Amino acid sequence: EDKVVQSPLSLVVHEGDTVTLNCSYEVTNFRSLLWYKQEKKAPTFLFMLTSSGIEKKSGRLSSILDKKELFSILNITATQTGDSAVYLCAVEAQGDDKIIFGKGTRLHILP
Amino acid sequence: GAGVSQTPSNKVTEKGKYVELRCDPISGHTALYWYRQSLGQGPEFLIYFQGTGAADDSGLPNDRFFAVRPEGSVSTLKIQRTERGDSAVYLCASSFGLDYGYTFGSGTRLTVV
Repeated sequence: EDKVVQSPLSLVVHEGDTVTLNCSYEVTNFRSLLWYKQEKKAPTFLFMLTSSGIEKKSGRLSSILDKKELFSILNITATQTGDSAVYLCAVEAQGDDKIIFGKGTRLHILP
Repeated sequence: GAGVSQTPSNKVTEKGKYVELRCDPISGHTALYWYRQSLGQGPEFLIYFQGTGAADDSGLPNDRFFAVRPEGSVSTLKIQRTERGDSAVYLCASSFGLDYGYTFGSGTRLTVV
């Protein structure tokens, strides 16, 4: 059965800290891994990763995929209170039309 | 429209009642998805439409749940004889296709009392 496991489930840090969120997966015929940020209801797209070892970067956020070890990390540097959210990891399989989500990491940034 | 629109944003209903949740996708997006998110969980797949047809409804939990997309645009998720366990946020997403990623709506928070 395809599954996505995220850790930690929750994390509290102070503004300015750097955080690393983890996502491990098991999926038949991996196609891509996606990261989303969910602040209230709508998850918003952050990154899509398909190749190992290539870092995707957007401002203070970056992510990388390891297809051999079946995991991805999402890094956030110099965190701000606006980074407080649930971060969701999801995977797509080849020939499948849906994505499988993990439970998310709830990140809270203290001012 | 500019984004995926879902209505209502909140719905409270009594156990046993029928509800309809609406999703208006981004114009031109042929793929439409419904997900359900319970508290503390990630979104779980319900059903996927490509155009007007339900290409994959394997995530619908039972026959009380049904969804339609008659003209290939707006979709309605219908839940009959609601149960307290149906309480969740129902998310809709649309896309040009898998290679283009999804855009999610803000969801409908359904509470069955």
